[in-house]
Amino acid sequence: DGGITQSPKYLFRKEGQNVTLSCEQNLNHDAMYWYRQDPGQGLRLIYYSQIVNDFQKGDIAEGYSVSREKKESFPLTVTSAQKNPTAFYLCASTVGRGTDTQYFGPGTRLTVL
Amino acid sequence: AQKVTQAQTEISVVEKEDVTLDCVYETRDTTYYLFWYKQPPSGELVFLIRRNSFDEQNEISGRYSWNFQKSTSSFNFTITASQVVDSAVYFCALSEAPTSGTYKYIFGTGTRLKVLA
Repeated sequence: DGGITQSPKYLFRKEGQNVTLSCEQNLNHDAMYWYRQDPGQGLRLIYYSQIVNDFQKGDIAEGYSVSREKKESFPLTVTSAQKNPTAFYLCASTVGRGTDTQYFGPGTRLTVL
Repeated sequence: AQKVTQAQTEISVVEKEDVTLDCVYETRDTTYYLFWYKQPPSGELVFLIRRNSFDEQNEISGRYSWNFQKSTSSFNFTITASQVVDSAVYFCALSEAPTSGTYKYIFGTGTRLKVLA
C-alpha cells in the first residue's frame, strides 16, 4: 500500500540534544513538507522540498534542518537551537505543486525532558 | 494576505444531530484551492475534499456535504446525522496557485467536534 511513514511515533529528547525525525513516502510524490502542531493550534510549516536536493524554509524554520537526498525521504532534524521543540510533527507530500492535495503521515510526538 | 478563519473552536452535538463547521478565507488570487481535513485522536490528517475556485458546485459525499460560496468567501462543511466516529478536529486549508514557485498553503486553527452518544 502506498503511503507516508513517520518514525518514531513517540520520541523523548534531553535538552541540548539533536534529534532526527524520519519521513518516508512511496507515493512517488515530488514535494514533501514538515509541519509542527502545538496543542489547540493549527499547522505551521517548517520546511518544504519540491524536488530532490532542494528545499525551502517555511514560517518557523529556526532551530530545524532538513535534507532531501532521495525522492522518498525527507528527514527533519530538531537541533538544540530550537528553544521549545515539544510538539507534534507531521510530514506530508504532494504529487507536485503546493496546490495539490497534501497527504499526511501519522506524525511523531516529540517531548523534551 | 492569505488567511483561513475557523471561528468555532469547539462544537459539541448529540449523536444524529446535523452540524456545520464554518470556514472563511481571504485571498487576492482568482485561482485558489480549498481543502478540508479530519484529524482523529490518532493524529494523522485525513484528506476529505479539494475544491478549486472555479467550481462553486456544492459537493455531497455520504453524510458529508460542502457549501462553497465565493460571494462570502466561505467553504462550510456539514455532517448530517453525526456519529461518535465523527469526533475529531477538522481543518480547513487554502492554497493559492504558486507564482515563481512560491509555496502557499495555509491551514485554519481547526474546529474540535465532539459527538456525544
